[in-house]
Amino acid sequence: NAGVTQTPKFRVLKTGQSMTLLCAQDMNHEYMYWYRQDPGMGLRLIHYSVGEGTTAKGEVPDGYNVSRLKKQNFLLGLESAAPSQTSVYFCASSRQGSDTQYFGPGTRLTVL
Amino acid sequence: AQSVTQPDIHITVSEGASLELRCNYSYGATPYLFWYVQSPGQGLQLLLKYFSGDTLVQGIKGFEAEFKRSQSSFNLRKPSVHWSDAAEYFCAVVGDNDYKLSFGAGTTVTVRA
Repeated sequence: NAGVTQTPKFRVLKTGQSMTLLCAQDMNHEYMYWYRQDPGMGLRLIHYSVGEGTTAKGEVPDGYNVSRLKKQNFLLGLESAAPSQTSVYFCASSRQGSDTQYFGPGTRLTVL
Repeated sequence: AQSVTQPDIHITVSEGASLELRCNYSYGATPYLFWYVQSPGQGLQLLLKYFSGDTLVQGIKGFEAEFKRSQSSFNLRKPSVHWSDAAEYFCAVVGDNDYKLSFGAGTTVTVRA
């Protein structure tokens, strides 16, 4: 089992460009999450999903959109990237909401 | 709202010495508590978790943590650190029937020879 995988690992964007980050899990987990990690702030939840076809906002959702068309995939989109979105993005999944979350390796995004 | 405080931003410890990382949480109901470790450039790996039962929890890599409800704490300990323990450590809390895992800001551990 690969667990949770993320693509790409690194990306550099110019302000205003768009991109999609892909998260995939092979553990048949219902819940999936997108976090961003910034120095001194821990991880902050962007969006999450409690099952296929569902999405919901976390604590820092502005500027991001998500989709969960398939149970195993959770996509994070940036429609018009801003320098404030420079961060490391982590995807995670869990069997249920209060269960252990398993994290992907992260995507380092730089917006110039 | 739930929250997690890790009072120590950075700790330096000698190899072979003991390590204790502090974690205080705020949560109105029964908390589920986690410690994760992040090596440089890597994702987060679960060290241990507390859901219920014995308040002293054993984890991987020789780590343990003790849940103290009266102090709202979940401190992480290791009797003898190895150079490979140099990493950033995150404490996190979620409630029963909840989804939102709240993280502390993290503690960076440096191990000196």
